[in-house]
Amino acid sequence: SYELTQPPSVSVSPGQTARITCSGDALPKQYAYWYQQKPGQAPVLVIYKDSERPSGIPERFSGSSSGTTVTLTISGVQAEDEADYYCQSADSSGTSVVFGGGTKLTVL
Amino acid sequence: QITLKESGPTLVKPTQTLTLTCTFSGFSLSTSGVGVGWIRQPPGKALEWLALIYWNDDKRYSPSLKSRLTITKDTSKNQVVLTMTNMDPVDTATYYCAHRPAGIAVAGHFDYWGQGTLVTVSS
Repeated sequence: SYELTQPPSVSVSPGQTARITCSGDALPKQYAYWYQQKPGQAPVLVIYKDSERPSGIPERFSGSSSGTTVTLTISGVQAEDEADYYCQSADSSGTSVVFGGGTKLTVL
Repeated sequence: QITLKESGPTLVKPTQTLTLTCTFSGFSLSTSGVGVGWIRQPPGKALEWLALIYWNDDKRYSPSLKSRLTITKDTSKNQVVLTMTNMDPVDTATYYCAHRPAGIAVAGHFDYWGQGTLVTVSS
């Protein structure tokens, strides 16, 4: 079955830039989406269609795509950004939803 | 304002069938392009997509769980129901329902989520 691969963890100091990658063979054909999940809470959409930001999401969150890899970038990381981040896309046919394994962002 | 809320049993026994209901407001499942999906998350683990039902009653299932899942909708009640058969302790998880907005992509994404409901499978 189709998989999206994320690094298990990323650590950054406050004010630095965090980059979280997500790799998958179908990503050149399918949009990617990113969710932030804090402990005990439901996921929150932070990026859709590779690089679009929903209303209410801070500008420091951005997304990009290059080939089979998409990247979530958080510029000027704040303590409140510490959370798990999940990428989501679809398989090559576009009919099955797939989530990545998640990346724990630690703000040092 | 879109809201969704999951309801159902908190404890089921192995081999039983789980039935979860998602009750939503702020949108209609008869609106073209809209859908409702189910996603689960075992304690301490990653999100896993289960099923998705569209405004036109088209349905999609996770390939690995397809044989155990059924998703239906009741547009008049603003509800979506997920059933999962033959429950096992490994199915212990928080189950979320979520709104899938209209868009170009077939599968799409989820922009509003319920709070989730923890289902424990144990004898």
